[in-house]
Amino acid sequence: GENVEQHPSTLSVQEGDSAVIKCTYSDSASNYFPWYKQELGKGPQLIIDIRSNVGEKKDQRIAVTLNKTAKHFSLHITETQPEDSAVYFCAPGGSNYKLTFGKGTLLTVNP
Amino acid sequence: NAGVMQNPRHLVRRRGQEARLRCSPMKGHSHVYWYRQLPEEGLKFMVYLQKENIIDESGMPKERFSAEFPKEGPSILRIQQVVRGDSAAYFCASSPGQGGAYEQYFGPGTRLTVT
Repeated sequence: GENVEQHPSTLSVQEGDSAVIKCTYSDSASNYFPWYKQELGKGPQLIIDIRSNVGEKKDQRIAVTLNKTAKHFSLHITETQPEDSAVYFCAPGGSNYKLTFGKGTLLTVNP
Repeated sequence: NAGVMQNPRHLVRRRGQEARLRCSPMKGHSHVYWYRQLPEEGLKFMVYLQKENIIDESGMPKERFSAEFPKEGPSILRIQQVVRGDSAAYFCASSPGQGGAYEQYFGPGTRLTVT
């Protein structure tokens, strides 16, 4: 099965700084690469995704980059704000539509 | 447009009782997925259903767990004879299918506590 690892497991930044979270996966058949944000007591919220025919995608302050050869993709958040504080999960998916979640990264943005 | 709805939000059961978790997908979505989240961990896939069909149940425990998505009404995840190890948050997600199948939108979850 798919083996997914996220780094770092915790990340603390000052408001206004950038944050980068990396996700590595093992299944070369994976072709869908989303990032989810989960706040305490809530369900995961899809914040950005990329498909295997694209290398980078940006949506305002967040971006995702994909290196399919190296089997990793990253979440980039610029100009971080306190409301960005949450747990972030990568969850690569393959042809069977099943998402395999990483263990999460706790991001803390200090005002 | 209402999102994915789950109920109840919190459920307490004694060991040996049955737990029934309900999920109503987003309007227009025909694919439903169930995931389980243990404390401090990511979500683990359990089952993928379309209307009246189980597509992939490779993540479901072999005993006591079952899921359905009938033609009418919500999807149901049923856990019979619950044990303490079943305590977790259970999340349902839905997707539109047909090209958008990967985009899974999650509900708020049901937090099951087994006493």
